[in-house]
Amino acid sequence: DAGVIQSPRHEVTEMGQEVTLRCKPISGHNSLFWYRQTMMRGLELLIYFNNNVPIDDSGMPEDRFSAKMPNASFSTLKIQPSEPRDSAVYFCASRSTNEKLFFGSGTQLSVL
Amino acid sequence: GENVEQHPSTLSVQEGDSAVIKCTYSDSASNYFPWYKQELGKRPQLIIDIRSNVGEKKDQRIAVTLNKTAKHFSLHITETQPEDSAVYFCAASNSGNTPLVFGKGTRLSVIA
Repeated sequence: DAGVIQSPRHEVTEMGQEVTLRCKPISGHNSLFWYRQTMMRGLELLIYFNNNVPIDDSGMPEDRFSAKMPNASFSTLKIQPSEPRDSAVYFCASRSTNEKLFFGSGTQLSVL
Repeated sequence: GENVEQHPSTLSVQEGDSAVIKCTYSDSASNYFPWYKQELGKRPQLIIDIRSNVGEKKDQRIAVTLNKTAKHFSLHITETQPEDSAVYFCAASNSGNTPLVFGKGTRLSVIA
């Protein structure tokens, strides 16, 4: 298995633009998590899905953030409109029930 | 919800010495405690984990101890090597499909 796959690896955009981050979880994993990592706040959970259903999105900072999981093999995290304070590394991770959590390579987002 | 505190935030040791990183958690229902290692520019990777029915677990130079009564767990690295230099994160969860809550990380530097 290729592991959790995220794209793009790097994204540079201007303030106000829409940003879409993509994730393909490990096949067979039924839970998917989106984390954001910054120096100041560490690894923060944004939202997670069980069996493609969003369970808890209380970590999503604002209404500008949204996430979807239309099927078991794909999820997106969208920021619209983006702001400079959204600059961070965004990680997607997946696991099966009671099993180990695996991270993708992350998307380094820079909003100018 | 769960809150995980991690100390110290930075740690420097001489090559060959031992390193200890400590974490406390708040939710007595938590029963799964993994440790992740993150090298610069890379994804967090699981290095060892422990469940609440075990007090200690070892894997070569790495060991983790858990004290459920005191709600704290620790990572021990013996005979440190320069390649152990990284940021280490502890985490806790109530297993199942609930998300991991991470500590803020410890930046370990092993000086040759």
